[in-house]
Amino acid sequence: QQQVKQSPQSLIVQKGGISIINCAYENTAFDYFPWYQQFPGKGPALLIAIRPDVSEKKEGRFTISFNKSAKQFSLHIMDSQPGDSATYFCAASPDNQGGKLIFGQGTELSVKP
Amino acid sequence: DGGITQSPKYLFRKEGQNVTLSCEQNLNHDAMYWYRQDPGQGLRLIYYSQIVNDFQKGDIAEGYSVSREKKESFPLTVTSAQKNPTAFYLCASSTRRGSPSAFFGQGTRLTVV
Repeated sequence: QQQVKQSPQSLIVQKGGISIINCAYENTAFDYFPWYQQFPGKGPALLIAIRPDVSEKKEGRFTISFNKSAKQFSLHIMDSQPGDSATYFCAASPDNQGGKLIFGQGTELSVKP
Repeated sequence: DGGITQSPKYLFRKEGQNVTLSCEQNLNHDAMYWYRQDPGQGLRLIYYSQIVNDFQKGDIAEGYSVSREKKESFPLTVTSAQKNPTAFYLCASSTRRGSPSAFFGQGTRLTVV
């Protein structure tokens, strides 16, 4: 079954707090896990990505944690800012050919000042 | 600047009419993709093409058609057979090998009345 389940559906965080979004997958053939950020009326933009041979990847305030045995991965946004308010999608690629992605349902993040 | 250009940004059509959405990229990417996004949902793959003159159906291809006559272009036709065509359509591209990151255009919002 090629599904990616994402939670929560919406998230409200105070400025300076940590935002955490979780995803779970079923297909062990997935080998690439990106996170996308989307602002209203815009296309998604790649935020950060990880492969299953790494347990954690950090880029600035954004960190992906990956648990291969549990088939789960999560996005942590440290020191959340109002400008981070957007919809975040996790995704998984069933092979190494890039944009053929299976997306989660999305999380609408609101960071309150 | 390299990127993906989708046009038009907004499109209105009467029910029963076919409509073609344009997608052009100058990133020299081999692979191109069309996704559909409905409110509160993740992106779903309509069609993808990994090489010129070849394309494959995604998860929701019914009522859509594509062509890939040039590497740079991957137009999507929404036919009258698509039962619920009103949606936000996103085009993406990626390298077929190497980094599988997919880059998205800014989308076309199609409204059928």
